[in-house]
Amino acid sequence: AQSVTQLDSHVSVSEGTPVLLRCNYSSSYSPSLFWYVQHPNKGLQLLLKYTSAATLVKGINGFEAEFKKSETSFHLTKPSAHMSDAAEYFCVVISILTGGGNKLTFGTGTQLKVEL
Amino acid sequence: DAGVTQSPTHLIKTRGQQVTLRCSPISGHKSVSWYQQVLGQGPQFIFQYYEKEERGRGNFPDRFSARQFPNYSSELNVNALLLGDSALYLCASSPGRTNEQFFGPGTRLTVL
Repeated sequence: AQSVTQLDSHVSVSEGTPVLLRCNYSSSYSPSLFWYVQHPNKGLQLLLKYTSAATLVKGINGFEAEFKKSETSFHLTKPSAHMSDAAEYFCVVISILTGGGNKLTFGTGTQLKVEL
Repeated sequence: DAGVTQSPTHLIKTRGQQVTLRCSPISGHKSVSWYQQVLGQGPQFIFQYYEKEERGRGNFPDRFSARQFPNYSSELNVNALLLGDSALYLCASSPGRTNEQFFGPGTRLTVL
């Protein structure tokens, strides 16, 4: 079964400093991985996706993630945090269903706090 | 372009009642998935529909059911509501069965 583990439930950074949100995955085949962001009382927004092309994936709002097979990791980074980045971030893996569809399996989330 | 829309935005029900949640996918998207997000947790997969057929079901009781209409919109029904059904219910659409999914704002269900 496909799964992801987010290693930190809360991360706090100062505005202008780098962001690192950690995610490890478990998969029996080459995974498709995503990062989603959820601002308070909002739906989920796709930040970026990895689908076995380039291992360094660039997303929206300056975020990027690197797929490392040897470490089974897909960490999310941003060089300089902004106050508007404060939100909940989810690492997600796709699983193929027997009925021919797919489902997203979410990690437990990392709450990012950005301080002045 | 309009994104995924869901209605209602908020809903309050009492235990034992039944509820119907609605979702309209992005134009051109044929697949709709439903997720339940309990406070403080990540979303959990409930159903996926593609071309009006169920393509997958998560680990939820039979009180949960769904359907997809010819225009690709979808309804999620929950019978015999329990307090534990209180959650944010998210709908996501995608062009096909295996593409990335785009989420709506959700319906916040409170069961008293």
